[in-house]
Amino acid sequence: QVQLQESGPGLVKPSETLSLTCAVSGGSISSGKWWSWVRQPPGKGLEWIGEIHHSRGPHTNPSLTSRVTMSVDKSKNQFSLKLSSVTAADTAIYYCTRDSDSGYSLGYWGQGIPVTVSS
Amino acid sequence: ETVLTQSPGTLSLSPGERATLSCRASQSVSSSYLAWYQQKPGQAPRLLIYGASSRATGIPDRFSGSASGTDFTLTISRLEPEDFAVYYCQQYGTSPLYTFGQGTKLEIK
Repeated sequence: QVQLQESGPGLVKPSETLSLTCAVSGGSISSGKWWSWVRQPPGKGLEWIGEIHHSRGPHTNPSLTSRVTMSVDKSKNQFSLKLSSVTAADTAIYYCTRDSDSGYSLGYWGQGIPVTVSS
Repeated sequence: ETVLTQSPGTLSLSPGERATLSCRASQSVSSSYLAWYQQKPGQAPRLLIYGASSRATGIPDRFSGSASGTDFTLTISRLEPEDFAVYYCQQYGTSPLYTFGQGTKLEIK
């Protein structure tokens, strides 16, 4: 059973870069699946940030593309998200996910990590 | 961008009743690309239905999904206490790759 665990700072200052990592266990980051980030502002709905594959180019939400960088570390079986120039609007719970075995949906989720943007 | 509109915003029902949640897409969405999730307070979303009508692993058969054109429905045949949560529909395939509806809160009446 694939398990995902987010890690990173819970507080980021405005204009700085948010950096998160997702550790994958119970499966390989090189399994051919797509690994995504989804966020949820307090009391609001879900927003897909982007996805990455171990050997293909990433796909990102056009609303965030200019600020998003994603990467895969095969040696550590993990993937990462960087979101630059953050503002208070980036305050959210950030989830790492994996697409489902059947595709086109997100079948595996981390527990989520709350990130607050504040000085 | 395909917009998914869920209704109602809040649904108040009692355990044992039938729940019908709606998700309408602003343009054509393949049934293969429509999913439903359940989210309880303080938890990550959980995949319930994929391909509009296929239950994910471990999901009870009281949950079912259906599609008609751009209208998708999640039905819970007989509500259990643990079913009261927020439900999201999600589509895959147009930029952005994944978009979600705004959610329906299913609350105990």
